[in-house]
This record gives sequence, C-alpha cells and structure tokens, in this order.
Amino acid sequence: DIQMTQSPSSLSASVGDRITITCQASRDIGDYFNWYQQKPGKAPKLLIRDASNLEAGVPSRFTGSGFGTDFTLTISSLQPEDIATYYCQQYGDVPFTFGQGTKLEI
Amino acid sequence: EVQLVQSGPEVKKPGAPVKISCKVSGYTFTDSQLHWVQQAPGKGPEWMGLIDPEDGQIIYAEKFLGRVTITADTTTETAYMEVIRLAFDDTAVYYCAASSGGSRGFFDYWGQGTLVTVSS
Repeated sequence: DIQMTQSPSSLSASVGDRITITCQASRDIGDYFNWYQQKPGKAPKLLIRDASNLEAGVPSRFTGSGFGTDFTLTISSLQPEDIATYYCQQYGDVPFTFGQGTKLEI
Repeated sequence: EVQLVQSGPEVKKPGAPVKISCKVSGYTFTDSQLHWVQQAPGKGPEWMGLIDPEDGQIIYAEKFLGRVTITADTTTETAYMEVIRLAFDDTAVYYCAASSGGSRGFFDYWGQGTLVTVSS
C-alpha cells in the first residue's frame, strides 16, 4: 500500500496567517492526489483534485502544488471558516489511501 | 443536483452483520464508480473498496477482504455495503462517495454518512 505521511498533525494559527500543510507519498503517484477539508460531523469536502486543480467554489486562497511524492496545501490568508481537519489522499494505486490529517485551529 | 443519500444509523451487537445503502440521484448511476469509506471516531478516512455499476467490477482494500461485500442495483440506482462479524472497532461512520470524473479517484460527491455503533 502507498503510505501518505502528512504534517503537521495539528497547527495553531491566527487569522490572516499563511499556512502550509505537506503530504509525502511512499512512492511516486504522479498527480493522482487530492486534498479534502472536513468539519465536525460532516463528510469530507474535496478542495483540490489532481494536486493543483481547485474545485469550483473553493476560495482562491487555497492552493495545491506538487508531483510525484511531495505535495503541499497552502492557505494564503487564514480565515475563521477554514478551521477544520485537512486530509490528503492518493489514487495512484489501490487501495486509495489518506493521510492521517492536519487539525487546524485558531 | 447530485445526491447520495445513505440509510440511517445502526446499533449492532458484536458478531452481527450490518448492511448500509446509498441511493444515488442527479447523475447516471453507471457513469461513476461508487466508493465506500470508513471513518472511526477521531481517525482519518480509510478507503474500503469500490464498485463500478457499469461492469460490476469490485475492488476491496485487503483489510476488508472477506468481511465486506459491496453490491449495486442499477434498477434502483442504489449501492450497498455489508460488513459481517462486526467487532467493537468497526464502530465508525461509513460514507459512500462518487466522482464526477467517472473512474477517477477524487471524491466530489459524498453521502451524509451512516454511523454504525457496535455495542454489547
């Protein structure tokens, strides 16, 4: 199985901060990689697909980058509504696997 | 509007089975693979498997092989996921998910989740 190592596991930041979350795959997955946001009691929400493609309706302060094994999610200016847990996910091979999550707090 | 509507919460005893449904609307059922994802309390999501309603192909994560069965009924556009021999650590929210990209592995459509509680 492809292991997804996400860091940090938690992050405390202030409104307006620039935030970076990283995810490393245990082997090359190209751009078969996604980022999700999950709020308590809700299903995960797809933010970015294929490493860098922002989903419709997702604010432009969210940016994804990376290819191969190393990926990054950046929030350029943190807003209160961004408080959530963020997960990375690969679909380069089955089983599709998720990172362990980054809990973002203000 | 695409909707995936799952069946309601379940409370089961250890060793019992549970079967969850996921009713799809708003897109052609056979146009997208349907995935199941487990999320234990306080944990990250874990992919369980998928079914392709168009050709019936099913793939399971090895962890769930032999204890989980995924099926789909194209006449009712409903997918099902059954877990047998439930254990306490099967307590989780189970989601069905689909992709607007058909066989692509990004999940932009999710059910609301079904909480399964295993308790004696």
